[in-house]
Amino acid sequence: IAGITQAPTSQILAAGRRMTLRCTQDMRHNAMYWYRQDLGLGLRLIHYSNTAGTTGKGEVPDGYSVSRANTDDFPLTLASAVPSQTSVYFCASSAVTNRGTGELFFGEGSRLTVL
Amino acid sequence: AQSVTQLDSHVSVSEGTPVLLRCNYSSSYSPSLFWYVQHPNKGLQLLLKYTSAATLVKGINGFEAEFKKSETSFHLTKPSAHMSDAAEYFCVVSDPSSNTGKLIFGQGTTLQVKP
Repeated sequence: IAGITQAPTSQILAAGRRMTLRCTQDMRHNAMYWYRQDLGLGLRLIHYSNTAGTTGKGEVPDGYSVSRANTDDFPLTLASAVPSQTSVYFCASSAVTNRGTGELFFGEGSRLTVL
Repeated sequence: AQSVTQLDSHVSVSEGTPVLLRCNYSSSYSPSLFWYVQHPNKGLQLLLKYTSAATLVKGINGFEAEFKKSETSFHLTKPSAHMSDAAEYFCVVSDPSSNTGKLIFGQGTTLQVKP
């Protein structure tokens, strides 16, 4: 059972470059999320998608974009990377019902360093 | 607005002694509450969740948490710490009435277990 797969696991890139972090889930969850994790700040939501074809902004969306063309994939793009986007990025998915959000399943993270 | 506060950024215990990780929440609705654990260089894993059923919730690896509405608390406990419990722990709140499925994470508590 794969669950959530993120790629790459680690990347170093120069400021100003474009970067896409990939995320794929095989659980047919309707909702997917991107978080960034920074020391002392916990996890902060960047963007989310409640279902294929829709996306929404989280707490810290600036500088990031997402798309949800199908249920399984939820890529995160940095159009022009800046050093403040150095972080560990986690993709997650959940089954959201009328009773609210179920358990979040997380990928193992993508460590991004912007120089 | 919802929020969650983890009262200790770092907790240190000896192996075999009890663990207490404290969490207070603020919510306008009856919340769903979660505890997640993150081991080094790994994604987050669900320990347990409260969704308005029993106020004492049992999770994996011997952890449990008690929902106390009068104190707006959801503290995580374990009777006897094991070395493998050393990790980062996150308290999380969700609004069941929200259709965005967004979760709010605490800033995390690092649990150190000494031999």
